[in-house]
Amino acid sequence: DQQVKQNSPSLSVQEGRISILNCDYTNSMFDYFLWYKKYPAEGPTFLISISSIKDKNEDGRFTVFLNKSAKHLSLHIVPSQPGDSAVYFCAASERNTDKLIFGTGTRLQVFP
Amino acid sequence: EPEVTQTPSHQVTQMGQEVILRCVPISNHLYFYWYRQILGQKVEFLVSFYNNEISEKSEIFDDQFSVERPDGSNFTLKIRSTKLEDSAMYFCASKPVTEAFFGQGTRLTVV
Repeated sequence: DQQVKQNSPSLSVQEGRISILNCDYTNSMFDYFLWYKKYPAEGPTFLISISSIKDKNEDGRFTVFLNKSAKHLSLHIVPSQPGDSAVYFCAASERNTDKLIFGTGTRLQVFP
Repeated sequence: EPEVTQTPSHQVTQMGQEVILRCVPISNHLYFYWYRQILGQKVEFLVSFYNNEISEKSEIFDDQFSVERPDGSNFTLKIRSTKLEDSAMYFCASKPVTEAFFGQGTRLTVV
């Protein structure tokens, strides 16, 4: 039961260009969405989140867009840097619940 | 910067043995969690803990699992009789209100 899907297992982007990571969900009860970054042998690190009452949230180089009608969100990183190379997980939660439902992750590689 | 710490970083155990995974959440956080990630699969929710009791658990969190907050700082996950399929990275997380902060994980290998 894949409620949160990240259909691209990997993405390769040149340094300085924009990275766009995509996430789709099926559960219309989700009302909070998060992006986490994970390096090997480390735990997920929180990046940015968005509530379902918004359609955009920006924090420095990171912007998350939410399209509720399409049940789609995306993370934009601009400009991309080599240090951004990691696995990016999309996660979602329903109102009045604690648990996060994670996607399978997208491995981003930023090359010089 | 405060962080969630987990010990040990790697635990190898024989099938059928009990293991305890330890976590020290961020001190002013109120909500505590365990997640796991089997190799090659996605991160899965196990259990959430608030106000000294389990607030939610997944179907994975069956009777062989238990959690405890024995004092004001530690949060433990006990697996009573480990199975080969329990081999995974186990992540502890805590949050003040909204975003969860994760520890670096404990790699559990059941042989």
